[in-house]
Amino acid sequence: NAGVTQTPKFRVLKTGQSMTLLCAQDMNHEYMYWYRQDPGMGLRLIHYSVGEGTTAKGEVPDGYNVSRLKKQNFLLGLESAAPSQTSVYFCASSYIETGYTGELFFGEGSRLTVL
Amino acid sequence: TQLLEQSPQFLSIQEGENLTVYCNSSSVFSSLQWYRQEPGEGPVLLVTVVTGGEVKKLKRLTFQFGDARKDSSLHITAAQPGDTGLYLCAGASQAGTALIFGKGTTLSVSS
Repeated sequence: NAGVTQTPKFRVLKTGQSMTLLCAQDMNHEYMYWYRQDPGMGLRLIHYSVGEGTTAKGEVPDGYNVSRLKKQNFLLGLESAAPSQTSVYFCASSYIETGYTGELFFGEGSRLTVL
Repeated sequence: TQLLEQSPQFLSIQEGENLTVYCNSSSVFSSLQWYRQEPGEGPVLLVTVVTGGEVKKLKRLTFQFGDARKDSSLHITAAQPGDTGLYLCAGASQAGTALIFGKGTTLSVSS
């Protein structure tokens, strides 16, 4: 019973390097989200997807790109990493739109450090 | 921009004490959720409240949604060390598809 799985769990990058975070869910959820969590800032939405092939910007989208080629996967890309992107990244999914009381199921997080 | 303000930001108490965490906004939300997060893990849903004035109880935890659906509170009775964690409130606007999170309250309960 995996739920939401994020890979990798830890990564250290140098400024300017690129990387992709992978999120996979096995609950057949339509909606998927990428959040970042920083001390004292709570969870901030980066991008989200309301279904396969769709993506939308959240609160803090700059410097990130996403793709949802398959319903079960949601990829978060950093094209040119910056120290300001040092954070813990959480992927989440939901069965129905959260505006209609949908519960978010979170992964365990991916800790990214940009030097 | 809708904002959710949580208070207090940090709370350190002794086992057996009672506490209340507040979540306030100037905006109306269609529903409000409370999540609990332990170190190294993702948040886990505790409760969803949808009706103004609604009160829900989960063992020693009592959740309330304000009459105007702009605020919520979480009350813990006789706190235990196992209650230690980060408590996050999250609101859903009527038009949006994504939850807005407060900055969280870090609770530490010592025995």
